[in-house]
Amino acid sequence: NAGVMQNPRHLVRRRGQEARLRCSPMKGHSHVYWYRQLPEEGLKFMVYLQKENIIDESGMPKERFSAEFPKEGPSILRIQQVVRGDSAAYFCASSPPPLANYGYTFGSGTRLTVV
Amino acid sequence: AQSVTQPDIHITVSEGASLELRCNYSYGATPYLFWYVQSPGQGLQLLLKYFSGDTLVQGIKGFEAEFKRSQSSFNLRKPSVHWSDAAEYFCAVGELKTSNTGKLIFGQGTTLQVKP
Repeated sequence: NAGVMQNPRHLVRRRGQEARLRCSPMKGHSHVYWYRQLPEEGLKFMVYLQKENIIDESGMPKERFSAEFPKEGPSILRIQQVVRGDSAAYFCASSPPPLANYGYTFGSGTRLTVV
Repeated sequence: AQSVTQPDIHITVSEGASLELRCNYSYGATPYLFWYVQSPGQGLQLLLKYFSGDTLVQGIKGFEAEFKRSQSSFNLRKPSVHWSDAAEYFCAVGELKTSNTGKLIFGQGTTLQVKP
């Protein structure tokens, strides 16, 4: 049973380009979370999704960031017009229901570098 | 607002010595508490979690943690550290009781260095 798969592992983008980060949850997991880890900091919640629904996006920056979890395929975190401050590690986690078990499994992350 | 504080940014211990990593939380109710470990370039691995019941929780790799409500603490301990324990450790609290989303609030992390 493969774990949470994130790709790419490393992504370099020039300022102003778009970054697309992918996350394939574990089989049977219907909840997906995205977290961001800035250098020297802990992880900060960004967004929580279920299939075709954004449940909580209270941690997402208001502009340039979006996330989706379509009926088929991986969850995508999209960052438009990237800036240097977007450089960070982005982690995806998936969890099966019920939420109360907190059965999180984290992926290995995508490390985004904006040059 | 809920928060998690890990007072020690870096800790260095000798191999074979005991270890205690501190974690304090601010939360209105009995929290769900977690400790994760992150090796360089890797994702997070769950060491242990506390939901209710016995306040001393056993985890993987010989780690344990004790929930102390009176001190709002959930410190991680290991009696004898191995060189392979060098990593970054994160304490986290689950928000399920107040939000229904299952998201986690993380502390800033403690980097553990192990001396031979």
